[in-house]
Amino acid sequence: SQTIHQWPATLVQPVGSPLSLECTVEGTSNPNLYWYRQAAGRGLQLLFYSVGIGQISSEVPQNLSASRPQDRQFILSSKKLLLSDSGFYLCAWSQGPGTKNIQYFGAGTRLSVL
Amino acid sequence: AQSVTQLGSHVSVSEGALVLLRCNYSSSVPPYLFWYVQYPNQGLQLLLKYTTGATLVKGINGFEAEFKKSETSFHLTKPSAHMSDAAEYFCAVSDRSNDYKLSFGAGTTVTVRA
Repeated sequence: SQTIHQWPATLVQPVGSPLSLECTVEGTSNPNLYWYRQAAGRGLQLLFYSVGIGQISSEVPQNLSASRPQDRQFILSSKKLLLSDSGFYLCAWSQGPGTKNIQYFGAGTRLSVL
Repeated sequence: AQSVTQLGSHVSVSEGALVLLRCNYSSSVPPYLFWYVQYPNQGLQLLLKYTTGATLVKGINGFEAEFKKSETSFHLTKPSAHMSDAAEYFCAVSDRSNDYKLSFGAGTTVTVRA
């Protein structure tokens, strides 16, 4: 069966520090991968998605970047965090076109930028 | 482009009462529709989905939803609320012509009164 792992679960970082959040999927190959941010009291905002190694699409301009160095690994990064980067970050995967885009989510990372 | 509107950001029900969460969507093509549930500090879990076929779909934990094309709705119901149903619920739509992405509603928080 497929599983998705995100870490760390919680992170407290000072403003201006770098960020690296990692997500890996097991039990499948060539998944679509997604990064979402969920701010308090708001819905989910799609940040990035990837349909293959090295293929990243950005949905909104921001202080963050994403990379996919391996088929089942998706990394969210920042060089210098802002206060507004605080939130709950969720990674998700789906099997790809034609599978009705059912997305499965990781447990999330709670990021607090102070 | 597709979008989702969830009516009511908070719903409070008594234990044993009907749970009704409203979702309306807009889509230029027949959609795929989903309901997800999120418990505090956790990722999203798929409750149920509509892709094709029967318009009344049953999901986990006793929830069901009905796709009504004429009303562009996909409301979620459960006949009898349980304390464990307290969570946030998200409606989402995927465009069949672009099945890489989901558009989420803003979410509805359900509280259950004893």
